[in-house]
Amino acid sequence: KQEVTQIPAALSVPEGENLVLNCSFTDSAIYNLQWFRQDPGKGLTSLLLIQSSQREQTSGRLNASLDKSSGRSTLYIAASQPGDSATYLCAVGASYGKLTFGQGTILTVHP
Amino acid sequence: DAGVTQSPTHLIKTRGQHVTLRCSPISGHKSVSWYQQVLGQGPQFIFQYYEKEERGRGNFPDRFSARQFPNYSSELNVNALLLGDSALYLCASSLDWTPYGYTFGSGTRLTVV
Repeated sequence: KQEVTQIPAALSVPEGENLVLNCSFTDSAIYNLQWFRQDPGKGLTSLLLIQSSQREQTSGRLNASLDKSSGRSTLYIAASQPGDSATYLCAVGASYGKLTFGQGTILTVHP
Repeated sequence: DAGVTQSPTHLIKTRGQHVTLRCSPISGHKSVSWYQQVLGQGPQFIFQYYEKEERGRGNFPDRFSARQFPNYSSELNVNALLLGDSALYLCASSLDWTPYGYTFGSGTRLTVV
């Protein structure tokens, strides 16, 4: 059974800092790994998707890496802004479409 | 182009009642998946439907059921509601059954009292 863990559970940083969110998973037989953003009471917005054969993906100030052998992924956010404040969720994709989510990291960026 | 539409947005039900949640996928998407998100936790997989057939089921009791219609919209039904069913129910649509290109709706907030 796939289990996904995210560390830290919450993070508060001043504006402008670079930060790293961590995700670990127990079964390395994954289809892909995705990072989502969730604003309070809202649905999920896809940020980055890394296929199982890839090592990293970048979009603007976001960079996500994947190490399947060690069961780890990191999301790097450069030059954080107050608008980045949200919950960040890591999800592992199985071959038949199921996503297994971590519990999320609540990020607060204060001015 | 409209995104994934879920209705209703909020719902309050009493223990023991039945509830039906609805989801309309993005035009052209043939797969719909349902997730339950309890406050403070990540979403948990309930069902996936593709071309009107169930492709996957999560670890939920038989009180939970779903179906997909010929226009690819979907319903999630929950019978004999328990307090623990209170959650945000998320629908996601995608082109096919693989875990790519998911677009999530804004969810239905269900409160059971």
